Amino acid sequence: QAQLVESGGGVVQPGRSLRLSCVASGFTFSAYAMHWVRQAPGKGLEWVAGISYDGINKDYADTAKGRFTISRDDSKNTLYLQMTSVRPEDTAVYYCARESPPYDTTWSSLFVWGQGTLVTVSS
Amino acid sequence: EIVLTQSPGPLSLSPGERATLSCRASQSVINNYLAWYQQKPGQAPRLLIYGASSRATGIPDRFSGSGSGTDFTLTISRLEPEDFAVYYCHQYGTSPLTFGPGTKVDIK
Repeated sequence: QAQLVESGGGVVQPGRSLRLSCVASGFTFSAYAMHWVRQAPGKGLEWVAGISYDGINKDYADTAKGRFTISRDDSKNTLYLQMTSVRPEDTAVYYCARESPPYDTTWSSLFVWGQGTLVTVSS
Repeated sequence: EIVLTQSPGPLSLSPGERATLSCRASQSVINNYLAWYQQKPGQAPRLLIYGASSRATGIPDRFSGSGSGTDFTLTISRLEPEDFAVYYCHQYGTSPLTFGPGTKVDIK
């Protein structure tokens, strides 16, 4: 059964950095594009970033460009989100999510989701 | 950026009733790459519909999606108690990927 488990959240001061991780199990991680989606407290879903199955294509929301970096380590079945220069408005639950078809060359719907990790940006 | 607008606002219905949720895009969604998700409090979203009208694995057939271009609909034919939740539409055809603000379906 496909499973995603996020970690790395916590309380961080504005302007500092944080790295989120997402460990995958139950499927061939290297075959799927992966994404980060966040949800501020009491708010809706916001796509943050995506990475293709081969790691070549990376895409970001405007709010993440220049500050966040998505990456993957297929040898560890792990997805990462490096967050720098964090702001209070980055406070949210961060979900990692897997696309539906393997080896897809365009973005697709998000079939498998983790339970999320909470990032709180506060001094 | 494609902006998705969902209507109606909160939808108050009774179990057994039909729910019709709308999602309108600010420009045409490429290849009808439009998905619907269900989210319950404290849980991650769950994929219901992809490609505007295809049900995801394990989703009951009371859920159906339709539409094309800029106007899409999620229909729940007969509401079950477990269907009361927030529903989001999501377009993945054009970067940046975007979500609608959500429609809450609650018990009348």
